Amino acid sequence: GAVVSQHPSWVICKSGTSVKIECRSLDFQATTMFWYRQFPKQSLMLMATSNEGSKATYEQGVEKDKFLINHASLTLSTLTVTSAHPEDSSFYICSAAYDSGTQETQYFGPGTRLLVL
Amino acid sequence: AQSVTQPDIHITVSEGASLELRCNYSYGATPYLFWYVQSPGQGLQLLLKYFSGDTLVQGIKGFEAEFKRSQSSFNLRKPSVHWSDAAEYFCAVGFTGGGNKLTFGTGTQLKVEL
Repeated sequence: GAVVSQHPSWVICKSGTSVKIECRSLDFQATTMFWYRQFPKQSLMLMATSNEGSKATYEQGVEKDKFLINHASLTLSTLTVTSAHPEDSSFYICSAAYDSGTQETQYFGPGTRLLVL
Repeated sequence: AQSVTQPDIHITVSEGASLELRCNYSYGATPYLFWYVQSPGQGLQLLLKYFSGDTLVQGIKGFEAEFKRSQSSFNLRKPSVHWSDAAEYFCAVGFTGGGNKLTFGTGTQLKVEL
């Protein structure tokens, strides 16, 4: 159980275009989803937290107009990188958590590698 | 603010040898502790977690970790490493009132020599 998928796994786009990444919890309802960014050989950097039906909470330094997050249902969250530039190239990972009555465990998706040319 | 330290950036062990990956945290109360493993180009897989109770926690793939409050540590151990264990290992900490956010350590890259 607790499987999280991401789509696409790889995306290459031209500078200036927008890219949408989907994160789905396949076998549970995710009350909260998290979006991370990971640079090569580095740890995960939390970008934002989203709860179903409400606006995402962004971490300091993350541009909310640049990284649009939508959490329209308990099984789907999307991250849209708008007007992508080469510096946005990175590995993006989502995680999903469900309310178990205590600290929630985050289950991670397989990640999406974005390359902006 | 809470923080997580993984002192070892790289560790190399021989297959069949024992393994211990260190994790120290800084937090005023009892944290929620996690170990995740990441293979190249992949997401993170939960190995084990500690919320409360028995301080020795068993996880998947033969891993275990022990919470030591006095040392603010949550070290990951495995008695006999397999070549397939080569990966990046992350320790993470959550805390009460933290909105279920996790703070990650910088990771330890494990290399297994055959």
